[in-house]
Amino acid sequence: AQSVTQPDIHITVSEGASLELRCNYSYGATPYLFWYVQSPGQGLQLLLKYFSGDTLVQGIKGFEAEFKRSQSSFNLRKPSVHWSDAAEYFCAVGALESSGSARQLTFGSGTQLTVLP
Amino acid sequence: DTGVSQDPRHKITKRGQNVTFRCDPISEHNRLYWYRQTLGQGPEFLTYFQNEAQLEKSRLLSDRFSAERPKGSFSTLEIQRTEQGDSAMYLCASSTPPGYPSTDTQYFGPGTRLTVL
Repeated sequence: AQSVTQPDIHITVSEGASLELRCNYSYGATPYLFWYVQSPGQGLQLLLKYFSGDTLVQGIKGFEAEFKRSQSSFNLRKPSVHWSDAAEYFCAVGALESSGSARQLTFGSGTQLTVLP
Repeated sequence: DTGVSQDPRHKITKRGQNVTFRCDPISEHNRLYWYRQTLGQGPEFLTYFQNEAQLEKSRLLSDRFSAERPKGSFSTLEIQRTEQGDSAMYLCASSTPPGYPSTDTQYFGPGTRLTVL
């Protein structure tokens, strides 16, 4: 069975500082990995995704993530955090069908990001 | 592009009552997914449809839960005889058909927050 671990429940950074959110996954085949962000009372917005190719992927809002197969990790990074980045961040792993369509996603428990002025 | 919409956004009910939620996917998205998110956790997969066919159901979807997508457009999720443990955010997502661009990505709605008293 697939699983995702986000070791940090809550992270606090100052505005302008760099950010790294950790994600470790367990999956029997080539993983299909996502990072989503959720603001209070909102649904989830996709930040970026990885399936194959370059292991460093760029996303929206200046975020990037690096896939490391040897460490089963897919950590999210941002060089300079803005106050508007305060939200909850979820890492997810999914199964892909042969058609390329996604099946169910398995999410981590999330990391709550607080940004100090 | 109006995005995925869900109705109602909030529902408060008494234990033992039945509730029904509606999800309208992005037009032309033939796949529709339901997830449940409890406080402090990531979303958990419940079920998904391709057109009107329900292709997969999680063991989380007890016999008190039923989901339908009769015409392959909007979907409803009904919970019968609600229990306090059903209190959660119910999220809907949709994705494009196999072979289409971004078929690997699920786009989420804002969710319906259910409170069972």
